[in-house]
Amino acid sequence: NAGVTQTPKFQVLKTGQSMTLQCAQDMNHNSMYWYRQDPGMGLRLIYYSASEGTTDKGEVPNGYNVSRLNKREFSLRLESAAPSQTSVYFCASSDWGGRETQYFGPGTRLLVL
Amino acid sequence: EDQVTQSPEALRLQEGESSSLNCSYTVSGLRGLFWYRQDPGKGPEFLFTLYSAGEEKEKERLKATLTKKESFLHITAPKPEDSATYLCAVQAPGSSNTGKLIFGQGTTLQVKP
Repeated sequence: NAGVTQTPKFQVLKTGQSMTLQCAQDMNHNSMYWYRQDPGMGLRLIYYSASEGTTDKGEVPNGYNVSRLNKREFSLRLESAAPSQTSVYFCASSDWGGRETQYFGPGTRLLVL
Repeated sequence: EDQVTQSPEALRLQEGESSSLNCSYTVSGLRGLFWYRQDPGKGPEFLFTLYSAGEEKEKERLKATLTKKESFLHITAPKPEDSATYLCAVQAPGSSNTGKLIFGQGTTLQVKP
């Protein structure tokens, strides 16, 4: 089992460019999450998908969109990247959202110039 | 406001010098408290989940405890390989089916040989 995988590992964008971060899990989990991690700010939830077919906003959703493609895959899209979106992005999954542990991917480091 | 605060921000120990990391929280109706370990350049790795005051869990040199207002991660006779950032998170109130987590900013532990 690979667990949670993310692509790409690192990306440099210019302001205004768009890109999609990919996430996949092979644990048959129902819930998936996108976080960003910034120095001094901790991990903050961007969007989540409690189950296939549903998505909801988290704490910092502005400037992002998500797609739950199927049970395994959850993508995060930046339509027009801004320097404030420079961060490390983590995807996570859990069996059910209630009390279940979230398992994280290795992260995508994004630099927006 | 729901909040998670970890202290200290950074901790340096000599190998074998035991200590504790603190996670204090202000949320109404705690549903679960999670401890993660994060190595540089990697995603958070799950360590423990605690659900109710008085609960304790152990793994090798680590022991996590929970009270009504805080959790402690005790490290007994640490080794250099225990060096990492330790993250604490609580499940947000009202998130019975979503699993949304509120993270602290982490404690960076350095263990010197």
